[in-house]
Amino acid sequence: DTGVSQDPRHKITKRGQNVTFRCDPISEHNRLYWYRQTLGQGPEFLTYFQNEAQLEKSRLLSDRFSAERPKGSFSTLEIQRTEQGDSAMYLCASQPGPNTDTQYFGPGTRLTVL
Amino acid sequence: GENVEQHPSTLSVQEGDSAVIKCTYSDSASNYFPWYKQELGKRPQLIIDIRSNVGEKKDQRIAVTLNKTAKHFSLHITETQPEDSAVYFCAATLNTGFQKLVFGTGTRLLVSP
Repeated sequence: DTGVSQDPRHKITKRGQNVTFRCDPISEHNRLYWYRQTLGQGPEFLTYFQNEAQLEKSRLLSDRFSAERPKGSFSTLEIQRTEQGDSAMYLCASQPGPNTDTQYFGPGTRLTVL
Repeated sequence: GENVEQHPSTLSVQEGDSAVIKCTYSDSASNYFPWYKQELGKRPQLIIDIRSNVGEKKDQRIAVTLNKTAKHFSLHITETQPEDSAVYFCAATLNTGFQKLVFGTGTRLLVSP
């Protein structure tokens, strides 16, 4: 499968714990996005990378959230001191680069905070 | 910032009927409007998109229309089939290369045989 992959697919954690998710974009896609989707809602933009540079962050991304893309390939999203309100599907999408429109989504990581 | 409203929230049709889902957006500068289909437990998949310099685009049984003046766009599915059953999301963005897609709340389409 040469699509966007995410790991893990499911994560159950207790409130207060830290979690980290990984996203592997389609090879040579230099743009990478993170979205959060709660039940019954559309995805909401969290942050965007062009290569290794994080160029945009949503106000939804509190200081407990941090995202990295150290080598411009895979990306990680870490949530510290998780809260029940963090329970959601975290989606990653990649885009080839300039002059392209389509964002290709990964299967998501479903986080449940108990 | 951009705000996208989508309706209806649920739509039930008989197989073979047409389905129409409508979205409105607030930012007149938005220039790219994709539609995604999301089946239960699966990733959103792009089914069709339209840029602001085009009024209509069609791909087999799926079409999208855009009215820039009224700031609304619609998805039309003809000859619906049970496998069209899914949640459909519209989105809008100012595409300057960087796309901060703003999604609607989704429409659950159920096509009954």
